[in-house]
Amino acid sequence: QAHLMQSGAEVKRPGASVRISCKASGYTFANYYIHWVRLAPGQGLEWMGVIRPSVGSTNYAQNFRDRVTMTTDTSTSTAYMDLRSLTSDDTAVYYCTRDRGVTGTTWWFDPWGQGTLVTVSS
Amino acid sequence: FMLTQPHSVSESPGKTVTISCTRSSGSIGNNYVQWYQLRPGSVPICVIFQGHQRPSGVPDRFSGSIDSSSNSASLTIAGLKTEDEADYYCQSYDNLNHRGVFGGGTKLTVL
Repeated sequence: QAHLMQSGAEVKRPGASVRISCKASGYTFANYYIHWVRLAPGQGLEWMGVIRPSVGSTNYAQNFRDRVTMTTDTSTSTAYMDLRSLTSDDTAVYYCTRDRGVTGTTWWFDPWGQGTLVTVSS
Repeated sequence: FMLTQPHSVSESPGKTVTISCTRSSGSIGNNYVQWYQLRPGSVPICVIFQGHQRPSGVPDRFSGSIDSSSNSASLTIAGLKTEDEADYYCQSYDNLNHRGVFGGGTKLTVL
């Protein structure tokens, strides 16, 4: 059964960067796209971007294009999301989630990682 | 494009509620719509995919539909239970730019 395990909570200062990892198990990692989604306090779910693990190609949401980098390590079945120049507005729970499509995107997300809380505070 | 949902809805246990999701531009039928349930302290789970399909394990009380005339998708929950109380998000994608889009979410209160 597919499962995604994310790294633990982070506390960062404004202007810093954060890296969140997402380790996959129970399926062939290279065959399924990984999306990143965040949920900020009082806000809704926000799609951040997607990566195709087999080749490392990415698409980012306009809001994050200048500050985010998504990568994968197929040898460890792990996806990473780096977010730079953090502000208090980046305080949120960050999720990785797998696209259900095999070698293509269906935009149906399942399963989801457990979420990683990033707190940005001075 | 944007997906617009009502901020909140409420209904009594046993009743039926429908949550709408209106697409601002382009046809709602152009791209599949998914619906996610998000309970406090939990991770999102998909309750409807590809407009009307139910993942295994999701009760048949949950159903989805598309209405081209209003350019919207709808999630209907019949026989409401207190456990259905959650935030519900519609989601689709912009296949021109290969980007995902979420609606703003609807808080369902069952009281």
